[in-house]
Amino acid sequence: DVKVTQSSRYLVKRTGEKVFLECVQDMDHENMFWYRQDPGLGLRLIYFSYDVKMKEKGDIPEGYSVSREKKERFSLILESASTNQTSMYLCASRSGAVNTGELFFGEGSRLTVL
Amino acid sequence: AQSVTQLDSHVSVSEGTPVLLRCNYSSSYSPSLFWYVQHPNKGLQLLLKYTSAATLVKGINGFEAEFKKSETSFHLTKPSAHMSDAAEYFCVVRYSGGSNYKLTFGKGTLLTVNP
Repeated sequence: DVKVTQSSRYLVKRTGEKVFLECVQDMDHENMFWYRQDPGLGLRLIYFSYDVKMKEKGDIPEGYSVSREKKERFSLILESASTNQTSMYLCASRSGAVNTGELFFGEGSRLTVL
Repeated sequence: AQSVTQLDSHVSVSEGTPVLLRCNYSSSYSPSLFWYVQHPNKGLQLLLKYTSAATLVKGINGFEAEFKKSETSFHLTKPSAHMSDAAEYFCVVRYSGGSNYKLTFGKGTLLTVNP
């Protein structure tokens, strides 16, 4: 089974702090994604990576950056956390070989910024 | 802009009765359509997907969905609800010709199952 692991399930940070959210997948998938989930808004794509060191902005990249140094790991970085970044963050991966392949999700990281 | 609309934000059913969760998408040639389920404090899990093969798609846990091009719909159904079906459900579309990674998520439908 594909496993996508988000190392931190719950985090509480203060405004202005730098925040790292880590995601690791074990199925050698080329594509990895970071989404933000808020009630009533569904999932919104923050960043996408289609290969090591490659990244593309999604729909809401402002205030975020990402890093993909190794194929299995995709990190989301909040350089200076703000209260409006309080949210659930979901990482996903997908095989790049299948155009209509499904996304495999981690269990999410719930971030609270005070 | 391409879009997907889940017509109900909340659906409540009794255990043992049928489930219908509605999804409409904006018209496009050969969309791929997915339904995902999210149980509390969990990530999303794929229920089923349509990728231009059979229009009636069967998924896990007894769910199925029918692709109706004339109605631009992809409604999710189950004949008999179980308590374990209580979760949030997301309809997702990928449009052909668009970016390979671009998936559009609906806003979700919360399913409540009453004993």
